[in-house]
Amino acid sequence: EVQLVESGGGLVKSGGSLRLSCAASGFIFNSHTLNWVRQAPGRGLQWVSSISSGSHYIYYEDSLKGRFTVSRDNARKSVFLQMNSLTAADTAVYFCAVGIWAGESVFDFWGRGTLVTVSS
Amino acid sequence: SYVLTQPPSLSVAPGQTARITCGGNDIGSKNVHWYQQTPGQAPVLVVFNNEDRPSGVPHKFSGSNSGSTATLTISRVEAGDEADYYCQVWDVNTDHRIFGGGTKLTVL
Repeated sequence: EVQLVESGGGLVKSGGSLRLSCAASGFIFNSHTLNWVRQAPGRGLQWVSSISSGSHYIYYEDSLKGRFTVSRDNARKSVFLQMNSLTAADTAVYFCAVGIWAGESVFDFWGRGTLVTVSS
Repeated sequence: SYVLTQPPSLSVAPGQTARITCGGNDIGSKNVHWYQQTPGQAPVLVVFNNEDRPSGVPHKFSGSNSGSTATLTISRVEAGDEADYYCQVWDVNTDHRIFGGGTKLTVL
C-alpha cells in the first residue's frame, strides 16, 4: 500500500523557517518524482515544487523560488521542503504527492498533509 | 504563466448530470487531470489524461478535452459527489504543474 506521511508543520512566527518532511512507503521511491502541493485555508490547491527521482530536475512555483528549497534522501525514502522567510501568506496545509500509475505529471497518491501556520 | 479557469460553483439536482469545465489556452493539446476533494481530506484523482479513470473510480466519472475547454462529467449525481473539483495540467514549457481554481459542486 502506498503511503505518504508528512510531518514538521506547526506554528511559526513571520520571518521564521520550517522544514517539512514526507516519509514514503509502498512503492519504488527512487524511481519517481515527488511533489509538494499546498492549500491555504478556504482556498484552492497550489503546486509548490517537484523534485525528480535523482534530484537532477527541481522546479518551484515562481513566487516561491528563493525562499523554498526541496530535497530528497532516496536511502531514507523521504522528501523535504525547507521554507524560509515565512509570511502569513504561507499559512496552508502542505501535501506531499506522487504520480505512480498515472504518470509523472499526475498526482495519484497524496499524503494527509501537515498544517503550517505563520503568525504575524 | 499558463492559467486554468473553472467556474467557482455548480449546483445540480440528484440524479442529474454535472458538467464541470476547465478553460485554458489550447488546453485540448494538453493532458488534463481531475481531482475530487471533500472537506478536511486530501484530494483524490478521479480522471487522468483527459478521459482515463484510476482503478476504483466509478464509471459515473468521465472526462473530455477539446479546443479551449476540458470537461469533467459526473453522471447520476448523488449527495456523496458533493465536493470541490480541481483540474490540473503539466505546462511543458516551464515544467510547472498548474491547478485550476476549483469548482464547488453542490447537490440540491
